[in-house]
Amino acid sequence: EVKLLESGGGLVQPGRSLRLSCAASGFTFSSYAMTWVRQAPGKGLEWVSGISGSGSDTYYADSVKGRFTISRDNSKNTLYLKMNSLRAEDTAVYYCAKIEVSLEMSTILNYFDYWGQGTRVTVSS
Amino acid sequence: DIQMTQSPSTLSASVGDRVTITCRASQSVSSWLAWYQQKPGKAPKLMIYKASSLESGVPSRFSGSGSGTEFTLTISSLQPDDFVTYYCQQYNSYPWTFGQGTKVEIK
Repeated sequence: EVKLLESGGGLVQPGRSLRLSCAASGFTFSSYAMTWVRQAPGKGLEWVSGISGSGSDTYYADSVKGRFTISRDNSKNTLYLKMNSLRAEDTAVYYCAKIEVSLEMSTILNYFDYWGQGTRVTVSS
Repeated sequence: DIQMTQSPSTLSASVGDRVTITCRASQSVSSWLAWYQQKPGKAPKLMIYKASSLESGVPSRFSGSGSGTEFTLTISSLQPDDFVTYYCQQYNSYPWTFGQGTKVEIK
């Protein structure tokens, strides 16, 4: 059974940093690209960042580029999101999700087939 | 970026009704479109991928259709558990983008 468990959320002041983790189990972690998606209170889903199975390729939404860093440790089956220079507009529930294998080797584009339960990040002074 | 627009934003219906949600893309996404269901306080759940393929375990009353820029999610007979929010998502090109969501509420 695929399981994704996020942690690391909390209350943080504007301008500070936070690192989210997503522990994965039930599948061969290194074989799958992974992603972070967030949802601000009462709002819709916003894709944040994605990473290939090897970790060599990373992708970011313009809204977080230069501030957030996605990474993974395949030996620990864990995905990370380091968030720097946090802003009030980063307040959201952050979900990690597994990306189904892409049919093309050169891309990680595909749908998100499993999601974690989310971790809440609140940026406020 | 490809913009995804869902309509309606809210849909009022009764148990047993057949309902359709539309998702339009600002440019062609071929058939690279997924639908997710989200219950309050829960993570999204994949329902449909590649526009019309039903994810394993999803009830057959859910179906998807379309290609290019126009897509639909149809629920053939609404059940009490279906009165939640649905999102479309394109995965044709980076960045992945979602529609704004459609909330299905009880009439």
